[in-house]
Amino acid sequence: KNQVEQSPQSLIILEGKNCTLQCNYTVSPFSNLRWYKQDTGRGPVSLTIMTFSENTKSNGRYTATLDADTKQSSLHITASQLSDSASYICVVSKAAGNKLTFGGGTRVLVKP
Amino acid sequence: DTAVSQTPKYLVTQMGNDKSIKCEQNLGHDTMYWYKQDSKKFLKIMFSYNNKELIINETVPNRFSPKSPDKAHLNLHINSLELGDSAVYFCASSQGVAGGRTEAFFGQGTRLTVV
Repeated sequence: KNQVEQSPQSLIILEGKNCTLQCNYTVSPFSNLRWYKQDTGRGPVSLTIMTFSENTKSNGRYTATLDADTKQSSLHITASQLSDSASYICVVSKAAGNKLTFGGGTRVLVKP
Repeated sequence: DTAVSQTPKYLVTQMGNDKSIKCEQNLGHDTMYWYKQDSKKFLKIMFSYNNKELIINETVPNRFSPKSPDKAHLNLHINSLELGDSAVYFCASSQGVAGGRTEAFFGQGTRLTVV
């Protein structure tokens, strides 16, 4: 079982609508959690980084939340645009060893 | 002026061949990585170099050999390619080891297909 699980695997939303992606992790000891956006045929690009003391962080229309007690994070996309169509990957960093553990991503398709 | 660039973007080759993927970063970072993204889209680290020294070497067949001629380059050489090596390989770089708040920047990936 992967230490970073994301849901849903994929979702389709209409342009202008909001959506929320979920990430549950078991990585321990925890250092920080990142959300990346990966466009088709491109490398991942960082959206947010949060440490255990940060509950929420925004980057434009993207807002990430973190509950380090329940080991859950979410990424909320507001007023979706066609360019938001991509895979969104949750990545958790371990405090020891500085290794990044990647989730399998949620593929988002925004339709006009 | 791409920050992390990989070549080639696509590579199709026959089983048993030897191939190399090149990576260069112009960010002045001291740490570079190779990741493999499998068919289920999970990214897994293969190698990490800091100042040209190998610091992470995951359980990767020794057919894979990274080479770092300088801090700005980390090439991946693969011997005796197998069908299971087909995947997308990503190069990344960071200033310091990516684990704390250090950000990792990824290349666009190299899609390797072994036939």
